[in-house]
Amino acid sequence: AQTVTQSQPEMSVQEAETVTLSCTYDTSESDYYLFWYKQPPSRQMILVIRQEAYKQQNATENRFSVNFQKAAKSFSLKISDSQLGDAAMYFCAYVITQGGSEKLVFGKGTKLTVNP
Amino acid sequence: ETGVTQTPRHLVMGMTNKKSLKCEQHLGHNAMYWYKQSAKKPLELMFVYSLEERVENNSVPSRFSPECPNSSHLFLHLHTLQPEDSALYLCASSHIDRDLYGYTFGSGTRLTVV
Repeated sequence: AQTVTQSQPEMSVQEAETVTLSCTYDTSESDYYLFWYKQPPSRQMILVIRQEAYKQQNATENRFSVNFQKAAKSFSLKISDSQLGDAAMYFCAYVITQGGSEKLVFGKGTKLTVNP
Repeated sequence: ETGVTQTPRHLVMGMTNKKSLKCEQHLGHNAMYWYKQSAKKPLELMFVYSLEERVENNSVPSRFSPECPNSSHLFLHLHTLQPEDSALYLCASSHIDRDLYGYTFGSGTRLTVV
């Protein structure tokens, strides 16, 4: 079974501090893409960052960076200089291509609270 | 607004009603998806349409019926639903032939079945 596990249902961080959200996944594919999505109370899923599995270099997007460990099937998200607007549900996901269609598989999410 | 529009934003329906959810995208994408988001559970992929053909149906009950008349529009027709079908229904789109930037999601329809 292809699954994504986010072991932290909830996390909190002080404003301006750094927080790391963990994610592990299980896939038999060798080529895939990994994503972190953010879902604020507005409900819209917003792409935060993506990582191609064949690239060893960790992706970075402004204050967001990942620690991708392919052998361990680990894909954690680090948020630096946390801001109040970062408060949201964060979902880890990967996409595979099968039979001409893509499948995006999600974890259960981590609720991040940012304290002023 | 991300480019994927879902209507209505909220829907309350009785178990004997028939209603439809609508999703529209004008991003030039060629694949569209329906996801169900329930509390404490991962997002569940319900249906996939690629190039306007249904390519995935993840054992979804027949009381959910998708329709994709063209690459820009996707519907989810609902009839004789159960209270456990209450959830947030998210539509997404992507372009399967391009470099994968992930899906673009709509804001969802919050469905309550009474």
